Amino acid sequence: DQQVKQNSPSLSVQEGRISILNCDYTNSMFDYFLWYKKYPAEGPTFLISISSIKDKNEDGRFTVFLNKSAKHLSLHIVPSQPGDSAVYFCAASPFGNEKLTFGTGTRLTIIP
Amino acid sequence: KAGVTQTPRYLIKTRGQQVTLSCSPISGHRSVSWYQQTPGQGLQFLFEYFSETQRNKGNFPGRFSGRQFSNSRSEMNVSTLELGDSALYLCASRRTVTGANVLTFGAGSRLTVL
Repeated sequence: DQQVKQNSPSLSVQEGRISILNCDYTNSMFDYFLWYKKYPAEGPTFLISISSIKDKNEDGRFTVFLNKSAKHLSLHIVPSQPGDSAVYFCAASPFGNEKLTFGTGTRLTIIP
Repeated sequence: KAGVTQTPRYLIKTRGQQVTLSCSPISGHRSVSWYQQTPGQGLQFLFEYFSETQRNKGNFPGRFSGRQFSNSRSEMNVSTLELGDSALYLCASRRTVTGANVLTFGAGSRLTVL
């Protein structure tokens, strides 16, 4: 039972363009949503988060959008850079619960 | 400050054996979580320890166990290894940012079961 879904296993984007990574969830108890980025041979690193009281959060080139009614969130990277090539994981948790539920990841490749 | 340290980084075992993995969290972090990463499954939660007590447990069989010591270091153990246990085991320690539970991960221990 995959409560957090990333339906695109891979995505290729031209350098300088916008990368949009999508994530859907089924558990209405989820209150916090996070994106992690993972390079090979390294652990995932935190990118950006959003709580369910917001619909948008920005941090530099990264913006996360949350649509609670659709149970959908997306990560926008503008402009995309070669160093952004990595696997991106979406994660979610209910309020006050330390357990994160992760999606299966999307491999983003930025084409120079 | 030093990050999350996991040892060993790589190991090979055979079916039926047992394995112990170690994790040292970021200094001052008292919560340690363990996740299993396999291709196509993403990261799946194993368990979380806080102040030597297990606070949360995922849906894994009893062959998977863990503990936390008074210095916050944690170990996880897998007994009677099966081929399907081959995975990257990730440890993370926790800080809290704006209410979200942000995890800082180690580089992982890659276990291969033959």
